[in-house]
Amino acid sequence: GAVVSQHPSRVICKSGTSVKIECRSLDFQATTMFWYRQFPKQSLMLMATSNEGSKATYEQGVEKDKFLINHASLTLSTLTVTSAHPEDSSFYICSARRTGNSFYEQYFGPGTRLTVT
Amino acid sequence: GQNIDQPTEMTATEGAIVQINCTYQTSGFNGLFWYQQHAGEAPTFLSYNVLDGLEEKGRFSSFLSRSKGYSYLLLKELQMKDSASYLCAVLDSNYQLIWGAGTKLIIKP
Repeated sequence: GAVVSQHPSRVICKSGTSVKIECRSLDFQATTMFWYRQFPKQSLMLMATSNEGSKATYEQGVEKDKFLINHASLTLSTLTVTSAHPEDSSFYICSARRTGNSFYEQYFGPGTRLTVT
Repeated sequence: GQNIDQPTEMTATEGAIVQINCTYQTSGFNGLFWYQQHAGEAPTFLSYNVLDGLEEKGRFSSFLSRSKGYSYLLLKELQMKDSASYLCAVLDSNYQLIWGAGTKLIIKP
């Protein structure tokens, strides 16, 4: 199977601090990883598409200076929420697309629940 | 604009059958997905349709009509563990997933 992990699963931070979330593909290489945000009772919202070795592509309305994405290797992408505010509290989910496979092979991580106090 | 519609919530009885509909209007079409998401967890893949017709996989089946911009997910022999949100998503011409808001399915004993 294809396993994607995220760390941490839950994090509580104070307003103004930064939080880093890691997304790892454990048993496959992922050229492309996606970062989503999901607010309660709402659908997934794509924040950015991350390609290994290049800059992330952000969706309209997502501040790239606030949500820093680094995809340094074929198995790791990180999302850093800088100067977090309570409105950034959400469920952040990454997914990874397996290198060389069909477009529909996208695997989701378990998500990270961020609470900013 | 791009739009995916599915009912917000549905209720069904354990052991019964339920059909969750999804209609879409997207810029291009490269397939339609159904995902299951339990509360507080990430989505898990259920099915992928790119050609018209019915795909059956155990208790779950998914149907697609590209000309009508319509799909449904059929769940048979409902179990309590099937209580979850079911997300319809379309892969558009840029190979980006466009997500529906999800249908919360409540199973009653």
